[in-house]
Amino acid sequence: QKEVEQDPGPLSVPEGAIVSLNCTYSNSAFQYFMWYRQYSRKGPELLMYTYSSGNKEDGRFTAQVDKSSKYISLFIRDSQPSDSATYLCAMIGTDKLIFGTGTRLQVFP
Amino acid sequence: GAGVSQTPSNKVTEKGKYVELRCDPISGHTALYWYRQSLGQGPEFLIYFQGTGAADDSGLPNDRFFAVRPEGSVSTLKIQRTERGDSAVYLCASSSDPNYGYTFGSGTRLTVV
Repeated sequence: QKEVEQDPGPLSVPEGAIVSLNCTYSNSAFQYFMWYRQYSRKGPELLMYTYSSGNKEDGRFTAQVDKSSKYISLFIRDSQPSDSATYLCAMIGTDKLIFGTGTRLQVFP
Repeated sequence: GAGVSQTPSNKVTEKGKYVELRCDPISGHTALYWYRQSLGQGPEFLIYFQGTGAADDSGLPNDRFFAVRPEGSVSTLKIQRTERGDSAVYLCASSSDPNYGYTFGSGTRLTVV
């Protein structure tokens, strides 16, 4: 079993939809949780990070962490075609980030 | 520089050859990471440098892979006797505080034919 599980998708939604992306994990030592966005043939770019449990909002993006369930989520409101990318969850326990597989999101006009 | 720079952006090599991949991190970032990403997968950890020393090399798949960071800035990932299974995108990242995320380069796409 992988330390971080993420549905690879693809997920296809119409413009303006609310998107929910999720990951589960097994290592209770993880303390910092992040979401990265990766466009085709580019490196991942950091979208949001959260420490421990709770919510964090930044514009159209909201990250949630539930440590008791070992479950993290990223919500995208009013999705745009420019949001079409692969979204990677990542978490850190000791010295390095562990990534999920990534979920490919397609937002169509 | 403004971001993490990786060269070359693409590398095609023959099976059995030796390759070097270069990473130029953000100035002042003491932590440097190498990851490998295969198609449809998330990045997989290879090695982490803190300054000049390899703090964690547990992700290197075998002894054909080696990385150096002699002056605590630029790093080179070296792969000997390349195999077709080494084909992937090799990503480099740097950070000033890893708990708040890394900045990635665009990667080197390695193809072994």
